[in-house]
Amino acid sequence: NAGVTQTPKFQVLKTGQSMTLQCAQDMNHNSMYWYRQDPGMGLRLIYYSASEGTTDKGEVPNGYNVSRLNKREFSLRLESAAPSQTSVYFCASSGDGVSNQPQHFGDGTRLSIL
Amino acid sequence: KQEVTQIPAALSVPEGENLVLNCSFTDSAIYNLQWFRQDPGKGLTSLLLIQSSQREQTSGRLNASLDKSSGRSTLYIAASQPGDSATYLCAVRPFGNEKLTFGTGTRLTIIP
Repeated sequence: NAGVTQTPKFQVLKTGQSMTLQCAQDMNHNSMYWYRQDPGMGLRLIYYSASEGTTDKGEVPNGYNVSRLNKREFSLRLESAAPSQTSVYFCASSGDGVSNQPQHFGDGTRLSIL
Repeated sequence: KQEVTQIPAALSVPEGENLVLNCSFTDSAIYNLQWFRQDPGKGLTSLLLIQSSQREQTSGRLNASLDKSSGRSTLYIAASQPGDSATYLCAVRPFGNEKLTFGTGTRLTIIP
């Protein structure tokens, strides 16, 4: 089982460039999430989607946009990258928002903004 | 605002020892608490999930406890092995939404 797949695994951008991080899950999950992980700050939620067609802001949404393309895919876009967005980005999914189900994580995208 | 703390940030123990990792949270109104493991360069793997109505959960050599009134959870690892070396994170989920709040983790090293 692939689980949660993130692409690319590594990326280097220059300040002001844009890019989209892709995430897909094959577990038929309703809920999907984007986090960033920074040293000393733990994981922080950027955006999440409780179902296809819905999205909601997390703790640190500024500078990001998301798109829930269909049930499987949830993308994160940086319109104008800034050095402060250098981080490791994780996508996760879970069955639904009602029952007690754990979140399943991808292996992350390591993003450096120069 | 919910805050989750994990102390110590790093821990080294000899192989074979039993050990306890700690997690504390400030708001006791939680829906569940989850323990994750993260290996270097990898994503998080769910280990145990404790519902708010439960006091503990067990999986193999792992046992997680929850005391909402004191805002604490512990992860007990029995008979530690070098393969247990990883960073362990706890996260709490509130009622009414799916926004997990994570601790910063404890980096565990098991010395052969």
